[in-house]
Amino acid sequence: SQTIHQWPATLVQPVGSPLSLECTVEGTSNPNLYWYRQAAGRGLQLLFYSVGIGQISSEVPQNLSASRPQDRQFILSSKKLLLSDSGFYLCAWSSGGFANEKLFFGSGTQLSVL
Amino acid sequence: DQQVKQNSPSLSVQEGRISILNCDYTNSMFDYFLWYKKYPAEGPTFLISISSIKDKNEDGRFTVFLNKSAKHLSLHIVPSQPGDSAVYFCAASASGTYKYIFGTGTRLKVLA
Repeated sequence: SQTIHQWPATLVQPVGSPLSLECTVEGTSNPNLYWYRQAAGRGLQLLFYSVGIGQISSEVPQNLSASRPQDRQFILSSKKLLLSDSGFYLCAWSSGGFANEKLFFGSGTQLSVL
Repeated sequence: DQQVKQNSPSLSVQEGRISILNCDYTNSMFDYFLWYKKYPAEGPTFLISISSIKDKNEDGRFTVFLNKSAKHLSLHIVPSQPGDSAVYFCAASASGTYKYIFGTGTRLKVLA
């Protein structure tokens, strides 16, 4: 069966510090991968998605970047965090190459930038 | 530009009654719709989905209705249970785009 791992679960970082959140998927190959953010009291905002290694699509101009160094690994980064980067970050995957596929989420990372 | 909207931020329902959660969309290219349930500090879990070729899909206590002409979908939960208390998100996708756009969520509280 497929599983998605996301870590860390919580993170407290000072303003101006770097960020690296990692997500890996097991039990499938060539998945589509996603990063979402839920800010306090807000909905799920799509940040990045990837349909293959090295292929990253950005949805919202921001202080963050994403990379996909391996087929089942997706990384969210920032060189210098802002207060506004605080939120609940979610990694997700769906089966690549198919229509009408469900999206499966990881357990999330609560990021607090102070 | 909010392409998927959930205009009711919260809803309270008595246990055993029907819960109806609504969702509107603006992009006519959307052809696949999903509902997710989310507890605090956890990732959303998939509940039910519907393709645009259908107007209804049912799975146990959950039924999703799609009205394409009105660009509206709804999730019915019957009967509602206290364990259903959570935030519910609707999402939409268009074939070939690989993107899933979510609404802002509706917090459902089922009162015992």
